[in-house]
Amino acid sequence: DAGVTQSPTHLIKTRGQQVTLRCSPISGHKSVSWYQQVLGQGPQFIFQYYEKEERGRGNFPDRFSARQFPNYSSELNVNALLLGDSALYLCASSPQDQPQHFGDGTRLSIL
Amino acid sequence: AQSVTQLGSHVSVSEGALVLLRCNYSSSVPPYLFWYVQYPNQGLQLLLKYTSAATLVKGINGFEAEFKKSETSFHLTKPSAHMSDAAEYFCAVSQAGGTSYGKLTFGQGTILTVHP
Repeated sequence: DAGVTQSPTHLIKTRGQQVTLRCSPISGHKSVSWYQQVLGQGPQFIFQYYEKEERGRGNFPDRFSARQFPNYSSELNVNALLLGDSALYLCASSPQDQPQHFGDGTRLSIL
Repeated sequence: AQSVTQLGSHVSVSEGALVLLRCNYSSSVPPYLFWYVQYPNQGLQLLLKYTSAATLVKGINGFEAEFKKSETSFHLTKPSAHMSDAAEYFCAVSQAGGTSYGKLTFGQGTILTVHP
C-alpha cells in the first residue's frame, strides 16, 4: 500500500505570497493532521481533521487554514507568508484509535 | 496541557554500546506516549507506543521503552547500537483514546550519533 503522500516536495515563495500544500492519506485513514517542523525543533501541531471536520487546532495564526475533502485528502493553506513560515510541513494520517503515519513532508522556503 | 522534555539534544555512542535517550512528560490526563525516528530528509517513523497496557514496550529495530508514572518518564533504550541507528529521535505525548492520536505534542528531539 502507498504511504502518506505530500506535494510538492519543495517549494520556494516570497514574503506576502500564499501557498497550498497537499496531502493524500493512506487508503482507509480518515484522520489527517498537519505539523510544522522548523529546523532544529520538534514538529508542532497545526490542525487535525477527521471525517472532514476540524478536530483540533494548534497555536497558529489565522493565516493558516486547512480542509479535508470527501476522499479524505487534505490541503493546508498559508496566507501572507512570513520568513518565519520557512519549515518542513508534515502531514500524518491514521485510522481511528491508531497511531499516525507520516509523509516525507513539504519543505517550504520563504525568501 | 501536555509537554515533553528530551534531555540531551545530542547523544553519541560507539557501535555496540547501550543507547539511552531520555524523555520526561507532563500531562494532566492519562497519556499515550510515543517514540518516533526521523532520518534526514524524511518524515517520522513510529518506533513504539505506550497506551496504558504493559509498562515495558518493545518496538521495531530492537528498541524498547519503559513507562514510569512515578518519574513521569518514558526513556528509550537499545542494548547494542548499530551504525544504521544514527538519526534524530522524538518523544511525543497525546491524550488517551480515539482521534487524540492525531494531536501529538513533540519534544525537541535528540540526535543520535553512532561511532564505529
